[in-house]
Amino acid sequence: KAGVTQTPRYLIKTRGQQVTLSCSPISGHRSVSWYQQTPGQGLQFLFEYFSETQRNKGNFPGRFSGRQFSNSRSEMNVSTLELGDSALYLCASSPAGQDSGNTIYFGEGSWLTVV
Amino acid sequence: SQKIEQNSEALNIQEGKTATLTCNYTNYSPAYLQWYRQDPGRGPVFLLLIRENEKEKRKERLKVTFDTTLKQSLFHITASQPADSATYLCALGTGTASKLTFGTGTRLQVTL
Repeated sequence: KAGVTQTPRYLIKTRGQQVTLSCSPISGHRSVSWYQQTPGQGLQFLFEYFSETQRNKGNFPGRFSGRQFSNSRSEMNVSTLELGDSALYLCASSPAGQDSGNTIYFGEGSWLTVV
Repeated sequence: SQKIEQNSEALNIQEGKTATLTCNYTNYSPAYLQWYRQDPGRGPVFLLLIRENEKEKRKERLKVTFDTTLKQSLFHITASQPADSATYLCALGTGTASKLTFGTGTRLQVTL
């Protein structure tokens, strides 16, 4: 079974630009969540999508947005990039539902550098 | 505000010894706690989950304890090997599985 796939793996953008990152979850998984990882702040939850609906949202500005498609694939978008947005963006998928304690499976991440 | 602390940024131990990592939390009532391993440049990999009504979980050389009174989890790796060298993250969750709050991690180095 293929794991969580994220593209692109590495990218460099300029301040003020926008970026779109893509995530394909494990087949059959309906929940996709996004995390930002930086050396200073660690792993922080961005948002979660389930059946094309945003189910949870972290404390990030509105420049960070996402969506999920009917095939469970997800994208996240960051507009008006700032230097502080440089980070590893991780996507994770899990099977389904609200049952607490489902295992989540992370992808390898997309490394974003803003210059 | 919610806070999760992992005992130290780095832990160095000798091969064959038991590594013990600590995760303490405040202002939080988690339903479950998870431990992950992360290698440099890679995404975290799930290791173990323990629920609030469980005291201990084991998987091969790994053992996790969860004390909701002390608000602490201990993660043990017995007979540690150099291949166990990585950063270990604890994460707390309440309801929905995917909204986890992570600690900052402990970097474990196992030397020969």
